[in-house]
Amino acid sequence: RKEVEQDPGPFNVPEGATVAFNCTYSNSASQSFFWYRQDCRKEPKLLMSVYSSGNEDGRFTAQLNRASQYISLLIRDSKLSDSATYLCVDGGSQGNLIFGKGTKLSVKP
Amino acid sequence: GAVVSQHPSRVICKSGTSVKIECRSLDFQATTMFWYRQFPKQSLMLMATSNEGSKATYEQGVEKDKFLINHASLTLSTLTVTSAHPEDSSFYICSAAGRLAGRQETQYFGPGTRLLVL
Repeated sequence: RKEVEQDPGPFNVPEGATVAFNCTYSNSASQSFFWYRQDCRKEPKLLMSVYSSGNEDGRFTAQLNRASQYISLLIRDSKLSDSATYLCVDGGSQGNLIFGKGTKLSVKP
Repeated sequence: GAVVSQHPSRVICKSGTSVKIECRSLDFQATTMFWYRQFPKQSLMLMATSNEGSKATYEQGVEKDKFLINHASLTLSTLTVTSAHPEDSSFYICSAAGRLAGRQETQYFGPGTRLLVL
């Protein structure tokens, strides 16, 4: 069974902190990966794609390690508005997204 | 960015009735749309993949006769929950596959429909 595993958290961090999430995936044939953000009782929203070379978008950095089959997301200088659930997503080999259960982040003042 | 709309946003119905949910891609034509279900504190679970002009592909364990999917155009897919029961109460989310300029193809989600069956 193709799965994505994430630490559910919650991660409680102060404003300004750096926080990192990891997730592992089981399907070695998967070609694309994403991080989505989901606020409480809302739909997921694409945060960023994850490339083998790593990619950065402002305070967010995503990395993919194919050998170990894990994906990471680093958030620097956390803001209160970063509080949400972060979903690690395996794009699969057939285009069907496989979601992890999410990691809950709570940024405190 | 891409916009996907869903209607209705929430619905309460009696057990045994049917509920129809619409999903529209507003910014782009989506040959493929997906229907997910999310129970409280659970991850999104794919129910079916809907391709324009053809029959939907259902995931294992999802009854195709209970969850009717129609994808009549490149911008509209509908999910009908037939003879809904309380255990069908959930958050139903659709998504449309697309690619924005300069980005990898991925799925863009509608705002979801919260269904409560009494």
